[in-house]
Amino acid sequence: GESVGLHLPTLSVQEGDNSIINCAYSNSASDYFIWYKQESGKGPQFIIDIRSNMDKRQGQRVTVLLNKTVKHLSLQIAATQPGDSAVYFCAENNNFNKFYFGSGTKLNVKP
Amino acid sequence: NAGVTQTPKFQVLKTGQSMTLQCAQDMNHEYMSWYRQDPGMGLRLIHYSVGAGITDQGEVPNGYNVSRSTTEDFPLRLLSAAPSQTSVYFCASSLGRWSSGANVLTFGAGSRLTVL
Repeated sequence: GESVGLHLPTLSVQEGDNSIINCAYSNSASDYFIWYKQESGKGPQFIIDIRSNMDKRQGQRVTVLLNKTVKHLSLQIAATQPGDSAVYFCAENNNFNKFYFGSGTKLNVKP
Repeated sequence: NAGVTQTPKFQVLKTGQSMTLQCAQDMNHEYMSWYRQDPGMGLRLIHYSVGAGITDQGEVPNGYNVSRSTTEDFPLRLLSAAPSQTSVYFCASSLGRWSSGANVLTFGAGSRLTVL
C-alpha cells in the first residue's frame, strides 16, 4: 500500500500561536491530497484539499503547502484556538477510488 | 439532509458471531466506502463501491463482505467475527466525480466494534 506518514505524533501549541502539522508521502504519482480533522468520538471532517498542480492553497485560517520535490505536505493553522484540538490526518490519492491515510497528529491547544 | 448515518454506534460480539454494520447516505453519492481505524494507525480501506451493483476490495478486505443494491446503502458484513476485527469502523461517501471538491469523502460518526 501507500506510505503516508507524519513527522510528529503529538503537537502542543499555545492558544493564539500558529500550528504546523507535517506529512510525508511516498508515492510520487499521488496527485490529490486532503487534510482531515477528527475530534474525539467523531468521524473525520474535511478541512482543505490540494491538487498536485498547486503548491499552496488557503482556506479560512488554514493553509496547505505541497512540496512535490520532497513529497511533503503541511497544514498551517493560524491563530490556533482550543476548538482546533483534535487529531489531524493527511490523505493521498493517486487512484480515483482509493485514499491512503497517515497515522495522524494530535494537536493540543493550551489556553 | 442527515449525511452519512451508521448503525449501530457500539456493538460487542463473541468470536465466531456474525453481524452487519449499516451505512446509509442521503446525498445521492455514487461512491461509498468502509474504513477501519485502529489505535495509532490511520484509516485503512476495507471495501468500496463506485455505484449500485459494483464493489471492490481495499487494503484490508479479508473477513468482510459488502454489497451495494441501492445508491443509498452500503452494509458491511462480518461473517465470523474475530478479535482482530475489534476496531472503529467508518463509512464514507463522495460524489465520485473527479473534479474539485467532488471527490472529498464525507464520513459517518463511526461504529465501535469489540470482539471477545
